[in-house]
Amino acid sequence: GIQVEQSPPDLILQEGANSTLRCNFSDSVNNLQWFHQNPWGQLINLFYIPSGTKQNGRLSATTVATERYSLLYISSSQTTDSGVYFCAVLNSGGYQKVTFGTGTKLQVIP
Amino acid sequence: NAGVTQTPKFRVLKTGQSMTLLCAQDMNHEYMYWYRQDPGMGLRLIHYSVGEGTTAKGEVPDGYNVSRLKKQNFLLGLESAAPSQTSVYFCASRRAGEAAEQYFGPGTRLTVT
Repeated sequence: GIQVEQSPPDLILQEGANSTLRCNFSDSVNNLQWFHQNPWGQLINLFYIPSGTKQNGRLSATTVATERYSLLYISSSQTTDSGVYFCAVLNSGGYQKVTFGTGTKLQVIP
Repeated sequence: NAGVTQTPKFRVLKTGQSMTLLCAQDMNHEYMYWYRQDPGMGLRLIHYSVGEGTTAKGEVPDGYNVSRLKKQNFLLGLESAAPSQTSVYFCASRRAGEAAEQYFGPGTRLTVT
């Protein structure tokens, strides 16, 4: 099956700093999402981004499907950004199985 | 519009007991999924359904059964619970087609002693 790797696995930031999280996948995909799992365990949709670039406030994401990676940018980080960030992909070719990456654990300190 | 809801939120079982987790969605989504998340790990797919009356196995289906008798509900059953099934269980749904977002429920925290 498709492999999804995220880096870095852990990240500690000072409040106000910027960061880039990466998601690499081993096969072509038609569907890619970024999620934030907050410290209470809730999974929050950030972006649906199978290709191209999107922005939402301090967050933006870019997916280069031909090179099989996606990036999540967090600017001017805040303590509320802490948690785990997951990317999840759906294989091309008609399969409906969704595969999650192992996540990046982000801690933003004041 | 409640989105995706899960019942119960917490449960403690003894080894060998059985239980059913209920997932409900009010978005008229065709596809529904059950995942488990173990401490410090990502989500792994247990079973999924692409429509009423259909189910399929995911990555870690052993020890679980599912049913989708109604489009809005997806049930996950544990016939004989084991400590290895201690986990947080998430349900998700999305509309048909490849270009569709998944939406998650709040999760069920299950402990098997």
